[in-house]
Amino acid sequence: GESVGLHLPTLSVQEGDNSIINCAYSNSASDYFIWYKQESGKGPQFIIDIRSNMDKRQGQRVTVLLNKTVKHLSLQIAATQPGDSAVYFCAEIVGGNKLTFGTGTQLKVEL
Amino acid sequence: GAVVSQHPSRVICKSGTSVKIECRSLDFQATTMFWYRQFPKQSLMLMATSNEGSKATYEQGVEKDKFLINHASLTLSTLTVTSAHPEDSSFYICSARVPSGGTENIQYFGAGTRLSVL
Repeated sequence: GESVGLHLPTLSVQEGDNSIINCAYSNSASDYFIWYKQESGKGPQFIIDIRSNMDKRQGQRVTVLLNKTVKHLSLQIAATQPGDSAVYFCAEIVGGNKLTFGTGTQLKVEL
Repeated sequence: GAVVSQHPSRVICKSGTSVKIECRSLDFQATTMFWYRQFPKQSLMLMATSNEGSKATYEQGVEKDKFLINHASLTLSTLTVTSAHPEDSSFYICSARVPSGGTENIQYFGAGTRLSVL
């Protein structure tokens, strides 16, 4: 079946370095993607989104890249801070309504 | 972003009892809310879509008689876990879709409810 998945379950980075979190998706009909951040014991927090007709979108310290040719999505976090430590999920919109979440990547920021 | 409030944040109950979880959109009206379940170190799994004024739509494998959903107003959806058992222990999270008028429908999430059934 269709699914959204992540390449790396855990990513450790030094404070101040840039982080890149990857996501592979398989549903070629997906037209909208969202990155969420989830801290321990909390609900997911919206970070940034991107439509399928775009290949890059930037926010504050974050950039999302979309490569539809290889069905790959990435989240780049600039100057990673301890507060960025969390689990990051990519999610795709299916049928214009439901979200399908990837497996998640644990980002650990080392001081 | 939009604020979604979920209550309670944690509940401990005895096996066989029922537990109600509330999800409220605080600064917007949500015709559609969603209920997810999350096991430790796993992703969110959609349980059901809650539609204001109509019956919820359940995902395959989710027992609708066990997980009762009511969406009586544009700002409140409730999930009742009936006759809870230890295997129902999990992290339950709701979300509300913010109407944008376009194809994008960003979901904002509540803080989650940790259910522990003894």
